[in-house]
Amino acid sequence: SQQGEEDPQALSIQEGENATMNCSYKTSINNLQWYRQNSGRGLVHLILIRSNEREKHSGRLRVTLDTSKKSSSLLITASRAADTASYFCATDERGGADGLTFGKGTHLIIQP
Amino acid sequence: NAGVMQNPRHLVRRRGQEARLRCSPMKGHSHVYWYRQLPEEGLKFMVYLQKENIIDESGMPKERFSAEFPKEGPSILRIQQVVRGDSAAYFCASSPPTGQGANEKLFFGSGTQLSVL
Repeated sequence: SQQGEEDPQALSIQEGENATMNCSYKTSINNLQWYRQNSGRGLVHLILIRSNEREKHSGRLRVTLDTSKKSSSLLITASRAADTASYFCATDERGGADGLTFGKGTHLIIQP
Repeated sequence: NAGVMQNPRHLVRRRGQEARLRCSPMKGHSHVYWYRQLPEEGLKFMVYLQKENIIDESGMPKERFSAEFPKEGPSILRIQQVVRGDSAAYFCASSPPTGQGANEKLFFGSGTQLSVL
């Protein structure tokens, strides 16, 4: 599997429920970021968590990072129809290329 | 304060033609990145540039692809002699200068959808 793989590939939930997406990676990282992409648009930065952090909050978003398992999770609480989008994790690899390494994303559908 | 601007939004080329994609970073940003996205895939890093310098082109094919970020004007991603496999969405992103969050938060443009007939 490739660096920054999200799980599940697709997720469909009812409005108001919580959505959890996971990301696994392979190398040592400086930080891990989550981005959101609406259909046909560019990515929008949501949240960044550094390698020495374990949890971070931003509004309805909660991100965790477990460097021992090389995994991260993104939790969106009280989901809204407008949260429907694809969500990507991206890693800044230590000693790697200068660009971020993105996973294939989780397509989230919030049903009203 | 305009965001990252990419043009054109859509570009159609026939096999063998050249494609030129433009990107103007956010004001004050001196780092530009180009990524390629295939349908149902994540973004793949291609090249990282600063003004007049290519810093990392490890993700860019050695042939037919080139990128520049001149002192004045937008960054250009150039694909010569396009083939059908080049069809994809190409995204540009920018970030502030080093020490102010480079590679910590990228600001993306809306992308250029390249279709090769």
